[in-house]
Amino acid sequence: GAVVSQHPSRVICKSGTSVKIECRSLDFQATTMFWYRQFPKQSLMLMATSNEGSKATYEQGVEKDKFLINHASLTLSTLTVTSAHPEDSSFYICSASSGGISTDTQYFGPGTRLTVL
Amino acid sequence: QKEVEQNSGPLSVPEGAIASLNCTYSDRGSQSFFWYRQYSGKSPELIMFIYSNGDKEDGRFTAQLNKASQYVSLLIRDSQPSDSATYLCAVNAQGSNYKLTFGKGTLLTVNP
Repeated sequence: GAVVSQHPSRVICKSGTSVKIECRSLDFQATTMFWYRQFPKQSLMLMATSNEGSKATYEQGVEKDKFLINHASLTLSTLTVTSAHPEDSSFYICSASSGGISTDTQYFGPGTRLTVL
Repeated sequence: QKEVEQNSGPLSVPEGAIASLNCTYSDRGSQSFFWYRQYSGKSPELIMFIYSNGDKEDGRFTAQLNKASQYVSLLIRDSQPSDSATYLCAVNAQGSNYKLTFGKGTLLTVNP
């Protein structure tokens, strides 16, 4: 099956710092990558959709200047949480899709647990 | 607004029984349907996808799709304690840039 990796798996940072999370598709080209956030015992919340070489599309209520997304290649997308605050502490999960009908399956990375002190 | 509804559970079944998980969706234009399993503290992992009406089997798992009734289900045969997890139903509509709409998930507990 398709493999998606995320790095780091866990990060603890001080309030006000920025954190970068990488998402890589290891064995397929991901035309589209997605970033989700999940708080404890809650459902997945889509933050943004990114297509290689173009600007990300953010969901309503997600600050694009706070959550910077870059999809520089068909195998790499990054999410930078800028000026992190304790309320940004969450489980961040990326997924990747090769796109197209019958190939629109999303494969999830293992997630990054962010704790902001 | 496109919605995907699942019974939150918990659904509790004894080991070896069949677990039946159900999902309804509101958008008739939906074309792709997915079941993911999520263990506590982990990310979702894909179990199955289905595009056409009818049944699709993969090992102990069977997905069933009925587009007329806007209903998709997942059957788990010979349930094992290791199947205890939250099961997420997800739906992809045409023109959605491949975004998935997720249900809130059903918590399944398989008792030894």
